[in-house]
Amino acid sequence: EADIYQTPRYLVIGTGKKITLECSQTMGHDKMYWYQQDPGMELHLIHYSYGVNSTEKGDLSSESTVSRIRTEHFPLTLESARPSHTSQYLCASSKTELSTDTQYFGPGTRLTVL
Amino acid sequence: GENVEQHPSTLSVQEGDSAVIKCTYSDSASNYFPWYKQELGKRPQLIIDIRSNVGEKKDQRIAVTLNKTAKHFSLHITETQPEDSAVYFCAASRGGGATNKLIFGTGTLLAVQP
Repeated sequence: EADIYQTPRYLVIGTGKKITLECSQTMGHDKMYWYQQDPGMELHLIHYSYGVNSTEKGDLSSESTVSRIRTEHFPLTLESARPSHTSQYLCASSKTELSTDTQYFGPGTRLTVL
Repeated sequence: GENVEQHPSTLSVQEGDSAVIKCTYSDSASNYFPWYKQELGKRPQLIIDIRSNVGEKKDQRIAVTLNKTAKHFSLHITETQPEDSAVYFCAASRGGGATNKLIFGTGTLLAVQP
């Protein structure tokens, strides 16, 4: 079934650890996005990609990095996690079409840094 | 670049009443306006969208209206039910194109009181 998958769904980790949040989509989409969202709050775009080998920083400054080596895969990495990184991270994707930019979201990863 | 403002940030209504959420956008070239619903602990999901060539679109109890001259669009929910309680996000984009993307509003928390 075409969908967006994120792993892990929940992660509790200590300060200073390196983590990678995985995002994969089987939607056949070319664009992918990472958002940071605190519970019930607005969606902050932190990274996006228009295609393979394309990555851009979003509106909210983030210490994380991303890569796009394969069309369907868009992992996010934190080299040294801190408590301020505690949040929910949502991955999304969209397909370049003539008249829409509809984004479809993954289920999210809830990160807690102790 | 595009800027989307959304009001109100919170909205409480009695079951059976109507709810209206309003958004304004700044980029006159924007032509695609989706609305997303995010239930507690879930991912945002597209519930309705409208393109700039129409002024109104309905889907059962929800409707969206667009005023291109004033650059604002609204979500209308009639006969609200407790399951309508969620955070709603509006968004806008120029629609399609290799480097276009959605710009989201800040969200509205709708609470439907039984």
